[in-house]
Amino acid sequence: DTEVTQTPKHLVMGMTNKKSLKCEQHMGHRAMYWYKQKAKKPPELMFVYSYEKLSINESVPSRFSPECPNSSLLNLHLHALQPEDSALYLCASSQGAGFQETQYFGPGTRLLVL
Amino acid sequence: ELKVEQNPLFLSMQEGKNYTIYCNYSTTSDRLYWYRQDPGKSLESLFVLLSNGAVKQEGRLMASLDTKARLSTLHITAAVHDLSATYFCAVDLGGSQGNLIFGKGTKLSVKP
Repeated sequence: DTEVTQTPKHLVMGMTNKKSLKCEQHMGHRAMYWYKQKAKKPPELMFVYSYEKLSINESVPSRFSPECPNSSLLNLHLHALQPEDSALYLCASSQGAGFQETQYFGPGTRLLVL
Repeated sequence: ELKVEQNPLFLSMQEGKNYTIYCNYSTTSDRLYWYRQDPGKSLESLFVLLSNGAVKQEGRLMASLDTKARLSTLHITAAVHDLSATYFCAVDLGGSQGNLIFGKGTKLSVKP
């Protein structure tokens, strides 16, 4: 299994809603990542989890809350989002975090905040 | 702050032609990645370049890395329509964190 899966594929939410994005991999990778990608822009790193511990938080607003329940799962909890948070949210994983590690990306969740 | 610059940002080429996409970066790094993204899709890993002088080839694509010049190139040989996509280079900031900084991407359109 060389796949990173993400659910849901699409999500529409209001500014007062609470929702969660889910990412899963069964490649035995120990690092997992959340990226945000706006239309026609490159991905921007949000969070890095290494061995289930948060190692990078790129100054992301607190309305985004990551969680890594175990080495295969990564969640992103969303609360009180703004319309400008609408984007494609990509999850990635790598064997370890850092040196010479290719990151493998999931298909993404396309989020629309109304 | 690491800056990663790709050029061109848009590239329209005819089938059968050759072209090169350039990726310059502003700080020392020995690790550079190329990804492909189709419209509405995720990123597909193409190449990992891990040392100065590294060259990798897959089909009609060839990537190289010159760490002294802080430059990577993605060369397209005899382009075909299926290569139409956006190509990103990404540079690893190093350390133990796996922090990739992406270029803005090159949108390639191959026309018959």
